[in-house]
Amino acid sequence: GDSVTQMEGPVTLSEEAFLTINCTYTATGYPSLFWYVQYPGEGLQLLLKATKADDKGSNKGFEATYRKETTSFHLEKGSVQVSDSAVYFCALHGSGNTGKLIFGQGTTLQVKP
Amino acid sequence: KAGVTQTPRYLIKTRGQQVTLSCSPISGHRSVSWYQQTPGQGLQFLFEYFSETQRNKGNFPGRFSGRQFSNSRSEMNVSTLELGDSALYLCASSLSPGGLYEQYFGPGTRLTVT
Repeated sequence: GDSVTQMEGPVTLSEEAFLTINCTYTATGYPSLFWYVQYPGEGLQLLLKATKADDKGSNKGFEATYRKETTSFHLEKGSVQVSDSAVYFCALHGSGNTGKLIFGQGTTLQVKP
Repeated sequence: KAGVTQTPRYLIKTRGQQVTLSCSPISGHRSVSWYQQTPGQGLQFLFEYFSETQRNKGNFPGRFSGRQFSNSRSEMNVSTLELGDSALYLCASSLSPGGLYEQYFGPGTRLTVT
């Protein structure tokens, strides 16, 4: 079945460092891909999305490119801030008429001043 | 526009009891999905509702059930609670089902079973 694999955390960075969180997926057909962020004590917020191969999603300085050849959707940010500290989830919506999202296990990011 | 609201935010129940959680979607959204989040299993899909009908169900026992009302508000019920049911239960709403539109999540209900 469809699945998402994220790099293990936690990831600890200094402020203004470059961020990469790896995400790879397994799916039949052409899934849509998402990054969600969860701040402490809150629900999930959609960070960015891409719906077809080579699409680049971007928001708040974060970017991710849908790479079908490598089945990847890595999250990047050029300069992280302390306020970016959160848990990041990669997710896919597969083919088929269902709203089910399949999530990776989440990666905790801690940014130190 | 108000976001997805979930009530209550926190619950403590005893094994064997049952619990009902509520979700109010964003105004105009007609599809509601539920997810369970635990440290061990991560985020897992419970079910999806649209027009008062369950469209999809995840791999959970029959103790987990839900329903949707004509105003699109949704409830989920867990009967005969087990310790392993302790989790954050997240509700997400969308304009319509099937993944065509983005899903917006509520803050969740934290359920603790003792």
